[in-house]
Amino acid sequence: EDQVTQSPEALRLQEGESSSLNCSYTVSGLRGLFWYRQDPGKGPEFLFTLYSAGEEKEKERLKATLTKKESFLHITAPKPEDSATYLCAAAGNRDDKIIFGKGTRLHILP
Amino acid sequence: GAGVSQTPSNKVTEKGKYVELRCDPISGHTALYWYRQSLGQGPEFLIYFQGTGAADDSGLPNDRFFAVRPEGSVSTLKIQRTERGDSAVYLCASSLDRRNTIYFGEGSWLTVV
Repeated sequence: EDQVTQSPEALRLQEGESSSLNCSYTVSGLRGLFWYRQDPGKGPEFLFTLYSAGEEKEKERLKATLTKKESFLHITAPKPEDSATYLCAAAGNRDDKIIFGKGTRLHILP
Repeated sequence: GAGVSQTPSNKVTEKGKYVELRCDPISGHTALYWYRQSLGQGPEFLIYFQGTGAADDSGLPNDRFFAVRPEGSVSTLKIQRTERGDSAVYLCASSLDRRNTIYFGEGSWLTVV
């Protein structure tokens, strides 16, 4: 069964303290690995799509990387406005579903 | 439209009532998804449409839930005989096709009292 697991569940960092969020996935034939940001009371906002192991994408203070089993979202020198829940999702070739993890709640302290 | 539009944004209904939630996808997007999200959880897949047809409805929890997309654009999620456990945010997303990134609306918050 396809599965996405995110860790940690929650993370508190000081402003400027870099860290990484983990997403472990098990899907049959990965056709896309997705990262989203979700603010309270809002729908998920698209950040990145990764398609193959070794691929990396960057946007401002965020960088997403992909291996055959995991993806990491690296946050460099975060600011309080980066506080949100970060969701990871994976799509496999077996079916049309896109499976989400439970998310990592990130809180950046000023 | 510029983004995925969902209505209503909030709905409070009594247990046992019927509810319809509407999704207007991004113009030109043929793929449409419905998800359900409970507090502290990730989005849970309900149903996927490619064009007018439900290509995968394996996530619908039971036969009280039904969704349609008659003209391949707007979709309606229908919930009969609502139960308190149906309370959640119902998210709609669309993409150009199944190979592309999906973009979400702001969700419809359903509360069953």
